[in-house]
Amino acid sequence: RKEVEQDPGPFNVPEGATVAFNCTYSNSASQSFFWYRQDCRKEPKLLMSVYSSGNEDGRFTAQLNRASQYISLLIRDSKLSDSATYLCVVADYKLSFGAGTTVTVRA
Amino acid sequence: SAVISQKPSRDICQRGTSLTIQCQVDSQVTMMFWYRQQPGQSLTLIATANQGSEATYESGFVIDKFPISRPNLTFSTLTVSNMSPEDSSIYLCSVEIAGGRDTQYFGPGTRLTVL
Repeated sequence: RKEVEQDPGPFNVPEGATVAFNCTYSNSASQSFFWYRQDCRKEPKLLMSVYSSGNEDGRFTAQLNRASQYISLLIRDSKLSDSATYLCVVADYKLSFGAGTTVTVRA
Repeated sequence: SAVISQKPSRDICQRGTSLTIQCQVDSQVTMMFWYRQQPGQSLTLIATANQGSEATYESGFVIDKFPISRPNLTFSTLTVSNMSPEDSSIYLCSVEIAGGRDTQYFGPGTRLTVL
C-alpha cells in the first residue's frame, strides 16, 4: 500500500466552480500535513499546511481527519490560475508525497 | 522561506557518465534533502544531506550511485554516477527552515536526460 494516495483526476471544472479532493495516508503516526502545488515543469511550492482543526487561506480550505487518515482540499471560486497538480504531503521522519491530483480550470 | 538555486537546470548526458548537480541556498539551513521525480510520478526522497557527515540514504538509494556532499550550511551537491536511461528524471533539492514544522522549500530542479 502506498504511503500517500490521491485521486489523480483530472478534475476539469469551469471558472467559478468549487472543486474538492482528498488524499489518504497509511501511517497513523504522521505528524504534519501539507498541500503543495506543482505547475507543469516546475518545482513543488507550498500551498498550505493542514492543521487538526482545519484551516482556510483565502479560497482554499484544508481539512484533516486523523481518525479516518485523510486530508482534503477545497478550492472555491476557481480561477484559471488554479490549474495545476496538487500534491498531498505527509510528514513523519520524512516527507511522503502523493502522486498528485490534476485540476484544470476552464474559461 | 529561502531562495534556492540549482545548477545545471537541465542536461543531456551519455550513459556511463556522471553528472554533479549543485544546490545553493541564500541562508544557512540545517536540513537539506535531495529528491527525484521521474516522469509522471511524484517525488521520492533520495537522501538527507548532512553537514559534516555522510548523507542518510533512503531504501533503494546507495552512496556509490548517488554520492552527496554538504560542505557547509548553504551548499550541497548530488552526483548521479554511471548513468543509464533509467536515471532520466528531475532532481530537486529542498531545505527545511529551522522552526518550520517540517515545511520544505524546493529548488527549481535539474532535468536530466540520459541517452
